[in-house]
Formats: sequence, structure tokens, C-alpha cells
Amino acid sequence: DIQMTQSPSSLSASVGDRVTITCRATQNIVTYLNWYQQKPGDAPKLLIYSASTLQTGVPRRFSGSGSGTDFALTISSLQPEDFATYFCQQAYSVPRTFGQGTKLEI
Amino acid sequence: QVQLRASGPGLVKPSGTLSLTCGVSGASFSTSDCWAWVRQTPGLGLEWVGEVHHGAASSHNPSVTGRVTLSADKSQNQISLELRRVTAADTAVYFCVKGTSVGGRALFFDSWGQGVPVIVSS
Repeated sequence: DIQMTQSPSSLSASVGDRVTITCRATQNIVTYLNWYQQKPGDAPKLLIYSASTLQTGVPRRFSGSGSGTDFALTISSLQPEDFATYFCQQAYSVPRTFGQGTKLEI
Repeated sequence: QVQLRASGPGLVKPSGTLSLTCGVSGASFSTSDCWAWVRQTPGLGLEWVGEVHHGAASSHNPSVTGRVTLSADKSQNQISLELRRVTAADTAVYFCVKGTSVGGRALFFDSWGQGVPVIVSS
């Protein structure tokens, strides 16, 4: 199985900050990497797919980068609604696997 | 807009069978759609259970090998999960999910149902 490791596990930030969350895979997954946002009590929501493609309707302050084994999610200017938990997920092979999550807090 | 609504018993006895269904609206069950189940626990986080593609080809997590049946029924606008011989380790919130696939690979999961909590306990 491909293991996905996110850093950091939690992050404190303020409105207006620029934040970056990283995700590392245990083997080359090319750009088969997705990012999701989850708020308490809700299902995950797709933000970015194929490492850098913004899902329809997602604000442009979200961006993704990377290839191979190292990836990043950047939020350029945090908004109050961005405080949530973020997960990466590899789509390269089965079993599909997720990172452990990064909780973004005020 | 695709909407998914999962339902099923919230409590299952150990060694019993967990059966969940998910009603789908707004989706065409096209060849590029796939249907998955993902579960979530505080300890293990998000865990992919399995997925089924157009033409019924499916794959699943080794953690459920030999115990799981996944299906997608376009005529009923419904997907289903059957998990047999459950244990406490199967206690989780279960999400039904629509994915977009190419060549039998689910590229990403773009629509999620609301999540159904399931407890395995006597």
C-alpha cells in the first residue's frame, strides 16, 4: 500500500495568512493526488484533483502543486470559512489511501 | 448537481452483516462515473473501502477482502455495500461517494453523501 503522510498534523493561523500543507507519498504517484476539505459533521469536499487542478466552484485562493512523491496545498489568504481539516489522497493505485489529515485552527 | 443519501442500520451485531444503500440523484451513471464507499474513524482517519466502475468491475481494500460486495444499479439510481462478518473494527461513519474514473482508475471523488454512523456491538 502507498502511505500518505501530511505535515503538519495541526496548524494555527490567522485570517489573511498564507498557509501551506504538505503531503508525501511512499512511492511515485505522478500527479494522482487529490486534496479534500472537511468541516466538523460534514463529508469531505473535493478541492483539488490531479495535484493542481482546481475543482469547479472552489475559490482561487486554493492551489496545489507537486509531482512524484511530494505535494503541497496552499491557501493564499485564509478566510474564516477555511478553518477545517484537510486530507490528501492518492489515486495512483488500490487501495486508495488518504493522509491522516491536517487540522487548520485559528 | 449530484446528491447522494446513504441509509442503513446504525447498529450491527458482531459477526453479522452490514448492509448500506445510497440513493443517487442528478447522476447519469455514465462510463466515467464510479461509485465508492469510504469510512472514517477517529483512530484510522479516512479509509477507502472499495469502488465499482461502469460494467461492474470493482476493487476493494484488503481489510475487507472476502467480506464485501459492492454494487451500482443505474435502474434504481442506487449503490449498495454489503459487509459480512463484521467486528468492532468495522465501526465507523460510512460515506457513499461518486468518483470520476478513466480506464478503471477512480481519479478523484467529487461528490459525497452525508455519512452514516455504524456501530458494531452486541
